[in-house]
Amino acid sequence: EPEVTQTPSHQVTQMGQEVILRCVPISNHLYFYWYRQILGQKVEFLVSFYNNEISEKSEIFDDQFSVERPDGSNFTLKIRSTKLEDSAMYFCASSEVSGNSYEQYFGPGTRLTVT
Amino acid sequence: AQSVTQPDIHITVSEGASLELRCNYSYGATPYLFWYVQSPGQGLQLLLKYFSGDTLVQGIKGFEAEFKRSQSSFNLRKPSVHWSDAAEYFCAVWNQGGKLIFGQGTELSVKP
Repeated sequence: EPEVTQTPSHQVTQMGQEVILRCVPISNHLYFYWYRQILGQKVEFLVSFYNNEISEKSEIFDDQFSVERPDGSNFTLKIRSTKLEDSAMYFCASSEVSGNSYEQYFGPGTRLTVT
Repeated sequence: AQSVTQPDIHITVSEGASLELRCNYSYGATPYLFWYVQSPGQGLQLLLKYFSGDTLVQGIKGFEAEFKRSQSSFNLRKPSVHWSDAAEYFCAVWNQGGKLIFGQGTELSVKP
């Protein structure tokens, strides 16, 4: 069964450093998303991406964040200058364009630890 | 604003007992509702979804959920819990902009 994959599974970085989290969505999906889950809190939407541009972003997704689809398979989230409060689990998701486009498939997540 | 409430943060049930996890939503239009499960160290796996039609929906692993518009609820049920069901369960509503809005989650523990 096709699945969303994410790398790395765990990333440790120092405050102020740039990080890039990588995702490979399901191959025939056209909508892509990033969510995050701070430890002990709910899963929060960050950004959605379609047709090579951002469809919607939350207020969390400020100028420090960017997303890109550099090739036909990868979807990345970049945090330019990490802060301690960016420590969280980051989930990538994708959905297809069809009657089931509301159904999002999630990757296993990348745990980001900022020290 | 749309929101999802899961009133129970942690529930413990005995193996073999029945389970009901509560979910209430706030959404102006007909909601598209989901239940996801997250096992420790794993991602979010879709258990079931409701878009329209029959208000009782069946999902994977023997789970079902019932949409009750009058109560703004979408409770998850399972008649007989297995130890492997221990996990965190998230209810979510699809927002027209395309994002999912999640509840706080309910952690399920199963005792032998």
